[in-house]
Amino acid sequence: QSALTQPASVSGSPGQSITISCTGTSSDVGAYHYVSWYQQNPGKAPKLMIYDVSNRPSGVSNRFSGSKSGNTASLNISGLQAEDEADYYCSSYTNSGTLVFGGGTKVTVL
Amino acid sequence: QVQLVESGGGVVQPGRSLRLSCAASGFTFNSYGMHWVRQAPGKGLEWVAVIWYDGGNEIYADSVKGRFTISRDNSNNMLYLQLNSLRADDTAVYYCAKGGHPAYFDHWGQGTLVTVSS
Repeated sequence: QSALTQPASVSGSPGQSITISCTGTSSDVGAYHYVSWYQQNPGKAPKLMIYDVSNRPSGVSNRFSGSKSGNTASLNISGLQAEDEADYYCSSYTNSGTLVFGGGTKVTVL
Repeated sequence: QVQLVESGGGVVQPGRSLRLSCAASGFTFNSYGMHWVRQAPGKGLEWVAVIWYDGGNEIYADSVKGRFTISRDNSNNMLYLQLNSLRADDTAVYYCAKGGHPAYFDHWGQGTLVTVSS
């Protein structure tokens, strides 16, 4: 149950697009279409942003999109806004029936 | 609207036990799997355990297997986590989360802090 690998930090200017990667193995990310992404602001509970690789829950901005290729999933944020500054975590189902998170990525809006 | 409210956290000595509770409302509780996820201070999220909608199966992270037990009471819309043989590295905010089918967390509680310290 090793954690998925995410970059520690990603930054961008307002209006730009950024991408956060999430790398796993053929036993988790690569095996299933069950990757999800969460946004967490300081002192708050996480919020679901993307599920099943690329689906957005109602109420989540369409500036957020997800994709997957092989063992790596990605979260793209377009038209970056100050309110997007937060920590982001990916999660995947595994072939052990467990779930695993990435280490988290701090997004900074310059 | 979905509401999840955790309780039961506190300061506990190493080796002791604690039981966390999560009161659920706003959805058909007995139709969804439920999870516990924890976050150590200043660290990332760690999945802890899941229990199926009917309580028929439980799966645990290796780090807590044999020490923690997840359970639910569908009659009262309650989720529980029994924490035994606590260690310092179990110190974390513990969140309960409603499971999306099949493998995501679509609603979270506000968390309850467990501190293991002598």
